[in-house]
Amino acid sequence: QVQVVESGGGLVKPGGSLRLSCAASGFTFSDYTMSWIRQAPGKGLEWITYITNSGNDKYYADSVKGRFTISRDNAQNSLYLQMNSLRDEDTAIYYCAKPGADYWGPGTLVIVSS
Amino acid sequence: DVVMTQSPLSLPVTTGQPASISCRSSQSLAHSNGNTYLGWLHQRPGQSPRRLIYRISDRDSGVPDRFSGSGSGSDFTLKISRVEAEDVGVYYCMQDTHWPPTVGQGTKVEIK
Repeated sequence: QVQVVESGGGLVKPGGSLRLSCAASGFTFSDYTMSWIRQAPGKGLEWITYITNSGNDKYYADSVKGRFTISRDNAQNSLYLQMNSLRDEDTAIYYCAKPGADYWGPGTLVIVSS
Repeated sequence: DVVMTQSPLSLPVTTGQPASISCRSSQSLAHSNGNTYLGWLHQRPGQSPRRLIYRISDRDSGVPDRFSGSGSGSDFTLKISRVEAEDVGVYYCMQDTHWPPTVGQGTKVEIK
């Protein structure tokens, strides 16, 4: 069955970096655009970035542009999010999703705090 | 980006009674391929979201038939025919007809 499992979250100081991973299974990963979505504590869902199936096209929300980089490895069925220059407001649960957001993983919690 | 606007933002309901959530988009969500990529998500406290409805009115596997979606263009509705205790949480409408996908602010459903 379709599964996505996010990992790599943790506690990091402002200005620090973190790399998130999303392991996908149960579908042909290389066929799909993939996204990262985040949810700050007590807040709604924010689509922050996506990458097309080939990896050739990427989108970033203004809130993360220039600081975050999305990438993928189709051979490993994996999606990544390199997060640099982290700020307090990046504290959130981070989810990966395929189009339609039909399957959600547990997410991975990122806490940015000194 | 397409702006999704939900109402109400808070919805106290009595179990066994119906409930309805509205979602409006800033532009039509009808895709050139004939589909409308409007879905509804449900998030219980402390859990990940779960998709209930896709393409306006198709229920995902395992979703009770008390949930129904309707609408067209830029005006959509999620209805719960008879609310049960397990239906509490936040409901989001989301679109991915136009990329990037966007999500409504969420409607918090609680039992009176």
